[in-house]
Amino acid sequence: NAGVTQTPKFQVLKTGQSMTLQCAQDMNHNSMYWYRQDPGMGLRLIYYSASEGTTDKGEVPNGYNVSRLNKREFSLRLESAAPSQTSVYFCASTGLAGDRTQYFGPGTRLLVL
Amino acid sequence: GDSVTQMEGPVTLSEEAFLTINCTYTATGYPSLFWYVQYPGEGLQLLLKATKADDKGSNKGFEATYRKETTSFHLEKGSVQVSDSAVYFCALSRGGSEKLVFGKGTKLTVNP
Repeated sequence: NAGVTQTPKFQVLKTGQSMTLQCAQDMNHNSMYWYRQDPGMGLRLIYYSASEGTTDKGEVPNGYNVSRLNKREFSLRLESAAPSQTSVYFCASTGLAGDRTQYFGPGTRLLVL
Repeated sequence: GDSVTQMEGPVTLSEEAFLTINCTYTATGYPSLFWYVQYPGEGLQLLLKATKADDKGSNKGFEATYRKETTSFHLEKGSVQVSDSAVYFCALSRGGSEKLVFGKGTKLTVNP
């Protein structure tokens, strides 16, 4: 089991460029999440998906879109990157009924110049 | 809304010292409580959890007890090691939601 995988590991963008962060899990989990981590801010939820075909906004959704392509994959898209989106992005998943443990990927470090 | 407050870091200890990282929460109902650990350059991983009042979560020598009367879930370890150096996050999950609310994290450095 690879668990939760994320690509790329590191990316540099210029302001206004777009990109998609990829996330996949092989644990047959229903729910998936995207967070951003900024110094002194902890983790903040961007979007989540409770099941295939559904997505909902989290705490900080502005400037992002998501796609739950299938049960395994949940992508995060930045349509027009801004320096304020410089952050480390984590994907996570939860699956077992009654178990709220979230399993995290290794993260994508994004720098927007 | 729900929130988690944990002690400001960074915390620096010598090897074999006693560790406490305080965590208090605000939530309606009966949340589940978690401690996650993030080692340098890695994602978060679950350290321990407790799902109801008076439960004690434990793992790798770390312990935390769910105290409803004080709305707290303090993390403790009797003797820290250099390998415990990491950032520790307290979090809660409330009601039927699987979403987590995180504290801001506490960075622990253990010196030999």
